[in-house]
Amino acid sequence: EVQLLESGGGLVQPGGSLRLSCAASGFTFSSYAMNWVRQAPGKGLEWVSASGSGGSIFYADSVKGRFTISRDNSKNTLYLQMDSLRVDDTAVYYCVKSRGQLRNNYWFDCWGQGTLVTVSS
Amino acid sequence: QSVLAQPPSVSGAPGQRVTISCTGSSSNIGAPSDVHWYQQVPGSAPKLLMFANTNRPSGVPDRFSGSKSGTSASLAITGLQAEDEADYYCQSYDSSLSGFVFGTGTKVTVL
Repeated sequence: EVQLLESGGGLVQPGGSLRLSCAASGFTFSSYAMNWVRQAPGKGLEWVSASGSGGSIFYADSVKGRFTISRDNSKNTLYLQMDSLRVDDTAVYYCVKSRGQLRNNYWFDCWGQGTLVTVSS
Repeated sequence: QSVLAQPPSVSGAPGQRVTISCTGSSSNIGAPSDVHWYQQVPGSAPKLLMFANTNRPSGVPDRFSGSKSGTSASLAITGLQAEDEADYYCQSYDSSLSGFVFGTGTKVTVL
């Protein structure tokens, strides 16, 4: 059974930093692309970043230059380093496994339970 | 602001059929890029409901079906049940944004 367990969320001031982690189990982590998707309180879903199994990396324009995705295949763990945080980055951040080809045919097949990041002074 | 438009809400009585539309453009659904659907029960993480336009993952009832035509896609729920009350999101890839996009979301209410 696929399991994705996020950690590292919490309260941070605007301009601060936070690092999220996602411990994966139940599948061959190194063989799959992984993602972060967020959801602001009472709002819809927003894709944040993707890390391909071959090393490719993609970011949404809203976080480009501020967030850094990385993965440690030896530890089956995905990370999201979030710097220069803004109030509108407040959201539940989901760690998500994906299938398909990065770009036109790519979907999110397994989701973690999420970790809440609150950016506020 | 999402590039994939969905109706904010749809409703139906138990047993009825409801459809949710997902309208995009030539840079996403019409590119063509596949459309995928997710169900989110309040307080829970989203769950994959349909992938590659018309394919149901194992465990998803055949009451759910998907279709795609041109720059739009639809999700249909037949034989609506109380447990189907949730938020539904479509998702695709947008070549202009070079990223993955979700629809605005539709709340399904079972009357």
